[in-house]
Amino acid sequence: GAVVSQHPSRVICKSGTSVKIECRSLDFQATTMFWYRQFPKQSLMLMATSNEGSKATYEQGVEKDKFLINHASLTLSTLTVTSAHPEDSSFYICSASTDTEQYFGPGTRLTVT
Amino acid sequence: KQEVTQIPAALSVPEGENLVLNCSFTDSAIYNLQWFRQDPGKGLTSLLLIQSSQREQTSGRLNASLDKSSGRSTLYIAASQPGDSATYLCAVESGGSYIPTFGRGTSLIVHP
Repeated sequence: GAVVSQHPSRVICKSGTSVKIECRSLDFQATTMFWYRQFPKQSLMLMATSNEGSKATYEQGVEKDKFLINHASLTLSTLTVTSAHPEDSSFYICSASTDTEQYFGPGTRLTVT
Repeated sequence: KQEVTQIPAALSVPEGENLVLNCSFTDSAIYNLQWFRQDPGKGLTSLLLIQSSQREQTSGRLNASLDKSSGRSTLYIAASQPGDSATYLCAVESGGSYIPTFGRGTSLIVHP
């Protein structure tokens, strides 16, 4: 089956620094990639939708200048959390979709100290 | 706007019991409904995908049903095992996109 990877799986950073998370579709080309965030005991919430070569579409309440998304190719999307704060600590999951299905990455646990 | 509710929020059962997890959604115009498993600190594992034209899907000890008209789905786990302990998420895809709406999940503990 289709595989989506995320790197890193865990990251701890200091407040004020930036962190980049990569999402790759390993054996297929993804027309669209999605980024989700999950706080403890909460459901996954969509942050943004990105299509290769175009600007990401952010959900209401998600700061586009804080969460930078780059979708450089059909197999790679990156999420950069800029000037991270402790409240950004969360579990970030990406997914990649073909024309018919969506495949989820294993997630990245971000802890901001 | 689609809203997905899962009941119960948490469940603790002894090994061997048959379980029913519930998922309800407010907008019945869905494309599909999917059940996921999420282990602590891990990503999502897809368990069963039910298309809007289907009424149920089965995989091993898992059976998921879908009643679009009433906005409900159930995940049935037969003969539960400690390895089934995880959070089970229900997600509904609707609205012409590939963006599912997730419920908050049911946290399941199966103790030996």
